[in-house]
Amino acid sequence: KAGVTQTPRYLIKTRGQQVTLSCSPISGHRSVSWYQQTPGQGLQFLFEYFSETQRNKGNFPGRFSGRQFSNSRSEMNVSTLELGDSALYLCASSLAVNYNEQFFGPGTRLTVL
Amino acid sequence: DAKTTQPPSMDCAEGRAANLPCNHSTISGNEYVYWYRQIHSQGPQYIIHGLKNNETNEMASLIITEDRKSSTLILPHATLRDTAVYYCIRRNTGKLIFGQGTTLQVKP
Repeated sequence: KAGVTQTPRYLIKTRGQQVTLSCSPISGHRSVSWYQQTPGQGLQFLFEYFSETQRNKGNFPGRFSGRQFSNSRSEMNVSTLELGDSALYLCASSLAVNYNEQFFGPGTRLTVL
Repeated sequence: DAKTTQPPSMDCAEGRAANLPCNHSTISGNEYVYWYRQIHSQGPQYIIHGLKNNETNEMASLIITEDRKSSTLILPHATLRDTAVYYCIRRNTGKLIFGQGTTLQVKP
């Protein structure tokens, strides 16, 4: 079956702009998590959604937000972009929350100029 | 957040077993140990997880000490394609808390 897909794969924005990233989970998976990966901080958890509800949230400012739709697809939004937001944004899906295996997508590479 | 301690890098000869250690001395009773790996520029890939007992699947074996303070991931016959960053993760909620991982270099 198809894996986790993320769009777009690459994105270039300028400071102050906002961006929306999209994630389509594996068919049948209802939980979607988002992570940010940077060379300095490594992989950091952003948030997790299950059944359209945010279940967990990491330590990121309010500029980072997300949502999940009834078909389990998820979007994350970053407003007022800063240079430090340049990163690889990864989405992971799983059947449910907690102990299920998470399957990661290829990521969206965001560059903020 | 609870992280784990791993050596920053290791080398392994192709065809030999790769043994990657992880220290999680403050792990609590309901926390699982998960292993993921990330090959350059790809999303992390699940390898294996366990709670108390040793586990084995088609990719690897996971050995957890009796006191659960440490574990070892074993790749029985490492290939060049196993070169990656390996993350040992403690997990008791839906989120994965990644440390810096171990960069495994498999050499011919």
